[in-house]
Amino acid sequence: DADVTQTPRNRITKTGKRIMLECSQTKGHDRMYWYRQDPGLGLRLIYYSFDVKDINKGEISDGYSVSRQAQAKFSLSLESAIPNQTALYFCATSEIGTGSRINEQFFGPGTRLTVL
Amino acid sequence: GENVEQHPSTLSVQEGDSAVIKCTYSDSASNYFPWYKQELGKRPQLIIDIRSNVGEKKDQRIAVTLNKTAKHFSLHITETQPEDSAVYFCAATSSGAQKLVFGQGTRLTINP
Repeated sequence: DADVTQTPRNRITKTGKRIMLECSQTKGHDRMYWYRQDPGLGLRLIYYSFDVKDINKGEISDGYSVSRQAQAKFSLSLESAIPNQTALYFCATSEIGTGSRINEQFFGPGTRLTVL
Repeated sequence: GENVEQHPSTLSVQEGDSAVIKCTYSDSASNYFPWYKQELGKRPQLIIDIRSNVGEKKDQRIAVTLNKTAKHFSLHITETQPEDSAVYFCAATSSGAQKLVFGQGTRLTINP
């Protein structure tokens, strides 16, 4: 089955380290998203990309960067990790909607990141 | 930008009873309102969605209602079952962009 995958699934790192979280999809979707989940705060959008040449900041992009290496790959980097970036990170994908329609987002399994 | 508020943050109901979760949004241009269910340790998955040209949508025991004038929408689950226990998220589109803004989530517990 077509799916969205994330690596690693769990990561513990130290303050100041550079971390990369990777997302791959076999759904053939053009749109990809990175979210952060914190208890009581829901899912907050970090970055999103509508194609390989399109990168957009979300509501909480500070301290993060992304790279869209191919249609199927979208990576999230923390250049210098800090403890308040400890969270559950989800990648998601969606198809292009006709006109202004937005379509269902399919989520990956998540990466649990702990910054000590 | 869009702001989505979701209530309650936790909800506990007896098996077989109904559960209602409510969300309000701020952007009158929002036109798509999905609901996602996240079981413990799992990824969020879409359970139902509604577009702004529809007032109500139903799928078996799940229904969503939308009041565009008041800018609120609700998830209704009838005849609740233990497998309905999960965290539920509402979301709304942000104006002028193809992205979603999520509510804070509701942890629903079904008591046997």
